[in-house]
Amino acid sequence: DIVMTQSPDSLAVSLGERATINCKSSQSVLYSSNNKNYLAWYQQKPGQPPKLLIYWASTRESGVPDRFSGSGSGTDFTLTISSLQAEDVAVYYCQQYYSTPPITFGPGTKVDIK
Amino acid sequence: EVQLVESGGGVVQPGGSLRLSCAASGFTFDDYAMHWVRQAPGKGLEWVSLISGDGGSTYYADSVKGRFTISRDNSKNSLYLQMNSLRTEDTALYYCAKDRSTVTPLWFDYWGQGTLVTVSS
Repeated sequence: DIVMTQSPDSLAVSLGERATINCKSSQSVLYSSNNKNYLAWYQQKPGQPPKLLIYWASTRESGVPDRFSGSGSGTDFTLTISSLQAEDVAVYYCQQYYSTPPITFGPGTKVDIK
Repeated sequence: EVQLVESGGGVVQPGGSLRLSCAASGFTFDDYAMHWVRQAPGKGLEWVSLISGDGGSTYYADSVKGRFTISRDNSKNSLYLQMNSLRTEDTALYYCAKDRSTVTPLWFDYWGQGTLVTVSS
């Protein structure tokens, strides 16, 4: 099974500042035949279900603000919130779909306002 | 508008059974694989089970294999999870989630609000 790890566990960022979340997979999730990274990011606000933000590691889901961006390849990925807004307070999860089943998630990173 | 509405959660004793349901609307149900994902109180997300669009392929997490059964009724736009031999560690909020794909799992593009299962004596 592919194990996903995230860092940091939590972070506090001032409004308008950049937030960076890292995700690492125990093996590459880059599929060489199509050069796509099989990785997604989700946002979960308190009391709500997760919401899809990004898939293929860097493709933003329709309706997601452009302050959210994903990058990385192979085993190392980053979710960046370029200018943190109050409504971005949430837990963020990465998920791999390269080797399934099982589908595996990272443990989550909690983002708060400083 | 895509909607996923779970039901069937509740309190059950260890060793007991429950059947969860998920009513889907707003999309062509049998065009997409469907999943159950759970979240224990205060914890992260754990994938539980997957069923292909036609219901012909099913997969399970090792933690539930042999105890849980996923199924779907495409004529009713409904997804189910039969949970037997429940353990205290199965206590969680169970989400129904839609896949972007028909068979090969990709990402979850829509989620329900969840139904809470509590296993306790």
